[in-house]
Amino acid sequence: GAVVSQHPSWVICKSGTSVKIECRSLDFQATTMFWYRQFPKQSLMLMATSNEGSKATYEQGVEKDKFLINHASLTLSTLTVTSAHPEDSSFYICSADGQGRTSPQHFGDGTRLSIL
Amino acid sequence: GQQVMQIPQYQHVQEGEDFTTYCNSSTTLSNIQWYKQRPGGHPVFLIQLVKSGEVKKQKRLTFQFGEAKKNSSLHITATQTTDVGTYFCVLRSGGSNYKLTFGKGTLLTVNP
Repeated sequence: GAVVSQHPSWVICKSGTSVKIECRSLDFQATTMFWYRQFPKQSLMLMATSNEGSKATYEQGVEKDKFLINHASLTLSTLTVTSAHPEDSSFYICSADGQGRTSPQHFGDGTRLSIL
Repeated sequence: GQQVMQIPQYQHVQEGEDFTTYCNSSTTLSNIQWYKQRPGGHPVFLIQLVKSGEVKKQKRLTFQFGEAKKNSSLHITATQTTDVGTYFCVLRSGGSNYKLTFGKGTLLTVNP
């Protein structure tokens, strides 16, 4: 089945650091990828839709200058959390669009980001 | 945009008991998807429902879509410890430029 790889799985860094998270579709091409954020014991909140070769579409309330998304190829999207602060600590998960209108989303394993 | 309300938020059962989570919307839904997320893991697709009154079964799991397409349920018969996790109902909306809207989820814990 379709596999989405997300890297790194865990990041701990100091406040002010920028962190890049990669999301790769391993055995299929993904023109669209999605980035979610999940706080402990809460649901997934869509942050942005990443479109290959074009600008990402951000959800209301998500700062595009804070969360930079790049989807330069059909198999790779990156999320960069710029100048991260403790309130940015969260679980970030990407997903990739499956093939066909009724196909499910394939999720990466997620990245647990902790800002000290 | 459309929202889905999911209840209960938490459910603790003894192994062997049944479990049900409900998903409701004030508007008609074109479809509803269900995902399961194990603790520390990522959501895994379970099923998609699109037809009014649809009922689908996967072993001990039964999924229903209401006649009015405004509600859905997931029922697990005779729970096992492997059923532990958070179950989300998810709305896929927007046509070709679609996105997923997750319900708040129901966290199921099973006492062996």
